[in-house]
Amino acid sequence: NAGVTQTPKFQVLKTGQSMTLQCAQDMNHEYMSWYRQDPGMGLRLIHYSVGAGITDQGEVPNGYNVSRSTTEDFPLRLLSAAPSQTSVYFCASSPRRAGGNTIYFGEGSWLTVV
Amino acid sequence: AQKVTQAQTEISVVEKEDVTLDCVYETRDTTYYLFWYKQPPSGELVFLIRRNSFDEQNEISGRYSWNFQKSTSSFNFTITASQVVDSAVYFCALSEQNSGYALNFGKGTSLLVTP
Repeated sequence: NAGVTQTPKFQVLKTGQSMTLQCAQDMNHEYMSWYRQDPGMGLRLIHYSVGAGITDQGEVPNGYNVSRSTTEDFPLRLLSAAPSQTSVYFCASSPRRAGGNTIYFGEGSWLTVV
Repeated sequence: AQKVTQAQTEISVVEKEDVTLDCVYETRDTTYYLFWYKQPPSGELVFLIRRNSFDEQNEISGRYSWNFQKSTSSFNFTITASQVVDSAVYFCALSEQNSGYALNFGKGTSLLVTP
């Protein structure tokens, strides 16, 4: 049981490049979400999903795309990276039935855009 | 709209002191969930507690205790007899019932416990 796996852990991008942050969970959780963490800002919700084929925007969705074609995977795409997207990204998943008692976070992905 | 406010940006205490971290929230939902997470210097997020909006019982877990008061929209966290290992950033977060447990985090309180 690997929990929530994020890849890559570290990435350096040039402005304008595209990339995908991968998030996978092996717990059959319905709910998944992406957050970014910036100094002094806490974690802010980017996008979330309540099940395969269903996604919605969070607080800071601009510049990011998501899709949820399977229950296991919830990739976060940066189509044209900007320095403002330099941040630490966390993916999370939780089972619907647990009532939110346990929200599992990945270890984070450190992204630098130069 | 929902909002979580952690007014204390940084707190510094000496080991064995008690410390309370404040959390005030705003939501229009009647059903919601409140959380506390710990983020040590290593960066991972450690779940501490979840409280449902319909359960106002206070909780104690070892040196940790939580005081949930709907009347003041507060969910405060107290560490008794603090230890150096408690040094971390602590986040309070709110989730509404129909949001897929997506969390709205406060900006965090950085706690430094010195020997």
